[in-house]
Amino acid sequence: KAGVTQTPRYLIKTRGQQVTLSCSPISGHRSVSWYQQTPGQGLQFLFEYFSETQRNKGNFPGRFSGRQFSNSRSEMNVSTLELGDSALYLCASSLDAGTGDNEQFFGPGTRLTVL
Amino acid sequence: QKEVEQDPGPLSVPEGAIVSLNCTYSNSAFQYFMWYRQYSRKGPELLMYTYSSGNKEDGRFTAQVDKSSKYISLFIRDSQPSDSATYLCAMDTGNQFYFGTGTSLTVIP
Repeated sequence: KAGVTQTPRYLIKTRGQQVTLSCSPISGHRSVSWYQQTPGQGLQFLFEYFSETQRNKGNFPGRFSGRQFSNSRSEMNVSTLELGDSALYLCASSLDAGTGDNEQFFGPGTRLTVL
Repeated sequence: QKEVEQDPGPLSVPEGAIVSLNCTYSNSAFQYFMWYRQYSRKGPELLMYTYSSGNKEDGRFTAQVDKSSKYISLFIRDSQPSDSATYLCAMDTGNQFYFGTGTSLTVIP
């Protein structure tokens, strides 16, 4: 069974630009969660999508948005990039809800660098 | 105050040592407690999860939860060089995961 895939793996952008990251969950998984990982803050929850609907949202500004398609693939978008957006963006998929009794499988992440 | 606090390390131990990794938390609503392992340039992978106070053992790994003290631990026995990674604790309210910042572990052969 193929794992969670994320594209691109690496991205370099400049301040003010926007970026779109893509995540393909494991086949059959309907929940996709996005996280931002930085050395100082660790893993921070961005949002979770289930059946094309945003079910939960973390404490990030509106510049961060996402969507999920009918095939469960998900994209996240960051507009008006800031230097502080440089991070590893991780996508995780699970069968249903992203709770502890329903394991989240993480992708390798997209490393975003904002110059 | 962060929801989850984790000592970032780094931690360096000789092969065969017992490793203790710890996290504290402040939110009484946390229902599930997990430990993830993250190798360099990889996403985190779930090592263990538990939903109650007490110990849970899986091979060389033991997860311990003390809800009264809001404290969780991961013990690694007979540590191996392949255990060198960053270990993240995570907790779940049922709606959202909260992660610690991770502890970097190096096991020296």
